[in-house]
Amino acid sequence: QSVLTQPPSASGTPGQRIIISCSGSSSNIESNYVYWYQQFPGTAPKLLIYRNNQRPSGVPDRFSGSKSGTSASLAISGLRSEDEADYYCAAWDDSLSVLFGAGTKVTVL
Amino acid sequence: QVHLVESGGGVVQPGGSLRLSCTASGFAFSSYAIHWVRQAPGKGPEWVAFIRYDGGNKYYADSVKGRFTISRDNSKNTVYLQMNNLRAEDTAVYYCAKGSTGLWSGELGEFGYWGQGTLVTVPS
Repeated sequence: QSVLTQPPSASGTPGQRIIISCSGSSSNIESNYVYWYQQFPGTAPKLLIYRNNQRPSGVPDRFSGSKSGTSASLAISGLRSEDEADYYCAAWDDSLSVLFGAGTKVTVL
Repeated sequence: QVHLVESGGGVVQPGGSLRLSCTASGFAFSSYAIHWVRQAPGKGPEWVAFIRYDGGNKYYADSVKGRFTISRDNSKNTVYLQMNNLRAEDTAVYYCAKGSTGLWSGELGEFGYWGQGTLVTVPS
């Protein structure tokens, strides 16, 4: 099975904008929706972005998603200390499986 | 309020079996797909299995195909994961997650709500 590739870490100072990338292929990101999840230590992941760029109710508009071809991105604007967490992208793959990225740990400096 | 509660985890010897349950409330259970997703200690989530709202379609990760079976009982708002021939690499927290109502497979990466998870340990 193929994988979704994310950078292992990203960081920024409070108020900055950071972008997390998620690279896939024509059988997953390019042809299906991309989802983003946020996870704090010891808790279950939480849906952050669905259908490439939609935010569930309650998710601040500082979080935004986009997709182009075989890649997707999660942007966090106005970075805050409470955004320190692990972030995962996910997408259906046409080989009949759901793929997750390995995750990006966000640190607020 | 959506609520998913997993149960059935524990310690099992290699080659043994366990059955996990996921009981849901707060939404129209019989209209939604349900997934099992696991997370090994210190690792990211790994999708395990999917069952369509009516049980008509099921998909499995290659790592569990032939060993795990997903099923559901809509009269009990419960999804099950029967796990046989367990291996050390199956050690993880197992979460059930509420999927989408859509029929398009491209939506199957959606896990709108998650349970708190149940720990399965298979000693090496």
